[in-house]
Amino acid sequence: GAGVSQSPRYKVAKRGQDVALRCDPISGHVSLFWYQQALGQGPEFLTYFQNEAQLDKSGLPSDRFFAERPEGSVSTLKIQRTQQEDSAVYLCASSSAERVQPQHFGDGTRLSIL
Amino acid sequence: AQSVSQHNHHVILSEAASLELGCNYSYGGTVNLFWYVQYPGQHLQLLLKYFSGDPLVKGIKGFEAEFIKSKFSFNLRKPSVQWSDTAEYFCAFHMGRRALTFGSGTRLQVQP
Repeated sequence: GAGVSQSPRYKVAKRGQDVALRCDPISGHVSLFWYQQALGQGPEFLTYFQNEAQLDKSGLPSDRFFAERPEGSVSTLKIQRTQQEDSAVYLCASSSAERVQPQHFGDGTRLSIL
Repeated sequence: AQSVSQHNHHVILSEAASLELGCNYSYGGTVNLFWYVQYPGQHLQLLLKYFSGDPLVKGIKGFEAEFIKSKFSFNLRKPSVQWSDTAEYFCAFHMGRRALTFGSGTRLQVQP
């Protein structure tokens, strides 16, 4: 389809394991965002890319979180040494060069840390 | 800190009832305002947006919202809800920083 694609849809990991979440933005979209959505809450900003440049990572909760977009298209959010509090839905959104808003969201990856 | 408040966490209505969901933001400057909707099992979708101009904004599916600058509000309205409007509704704003700041959401349940 033509929307934002995220994989996997569900991920279960044991505490301490590393995980990698993938986002395929809409083709040609320059801006890419990652958000974290805890149960019963709205999405909270994690990080923002314009093409391959990570322009804002102020929302990353700790240095265990790392994101990259090496070729300005697909992005990966990596969480090292996962903790139970990392359990959440991770949303990816993209938008065009002409307007950063509105953003188009993917279905998210639901991460559960046991 | 900039924030968005949605006062109604869970709203239950009967079909054909009127809907108003509250949204207030805290930021003194120019903002762009949005309502997103998330239907069960689906991704967030844009319902409507306000950038400038007419403060009464019309969106998809008969929804509208009114920006009242003096009240820092952007309430969502629909005159007559349908069962298919059952979803979670998020108010959000953007004020120069490129990311969106979201409220905590309102779960709307419409009973047939």
